[in-house]
Amino acid sequence: KAGVTQTPRYLIKTRGQQVTLSCSPISGHRSVSWYQQTPGQGLQFLFEYFSETQRNKGNFPGRFSGRQFSNSRSEMNVSTLELGDSALYLCASSLVRFGDSGANVLTFGAGSRLTVL
Amino acid sequence: AQKVTQAQTEISVVEKEDVTLDCVYETRDTTYYLFWYKQPPSGELVFLIRRNSFDEQNEISGRYSWNFQKSTSSFNFTITASQVVDSAVYFCALSEVSGGYQKVTFGTGTKLQVIP
Repeated sequence: KAGVTQTPRYLIKTRGQQVTLSCSPISGHRSVSWYQQTPGQGLQFLFEYFSETQRNKGNFPGRFSGRQFSNSRSEMNVSTLELGDSALYLCASSLVRFGDSGANVLTFGAGSRLTVL
Repeated sequence: AQKVTQAQTEISVVEKEDVTLDCVYETRDTTYYLFWYKQPPSGELVFLIRRNSFDEQNEISGRYSWNFQKSTSSFNFTITASQVVDSAVYFCALSEVSGGYQKVTFGTGTKLQVIP
């Protein structure tokens, strides 16, 4: 079955612009999480969506937002881009089982590499 | 607060050597899960293993083995007879239920380079 698909794979923006990244989860997966990966900070959790609702949010400014559609596809948006937003943005989906035991395995996409000039 | 420490930033080994990647975690919960993921140059993290906090049995899968010790809060990963294809960044992660939802904390990763 198809994996997690992220588009675009690479993009270059300038400071002050905004960007929208897309993530299509594995079919049947209803949870989508977003992570920012940078050399200095590692993998940092941005937010998680389940059934079109944001369930969890990491410690990022309000410039970072997201949403999930009824087909579980998710988008994240970063407004007023800063140089420090340059990163690999990873999306992960999971098949959330009843009880939310914490055991869910995350399946990651290949990421969207954003460069802010 | 949960925390995962991977003290080894980068490791280089010659092919066929054994290598152990260290992972130390902190949590106040008694129920949690530990994971290892591999990130090859292509970018996507690939799931390797999951252990729950009640199962300290070591596991071996081919050339991979994992040693989970609650007494030292460690979940180390050993690759036996390393191969060039093992070159990647390896992440240890701690997963708990927080506020009713799964919260996953990743370590900073260990970059493994296997030299032919």
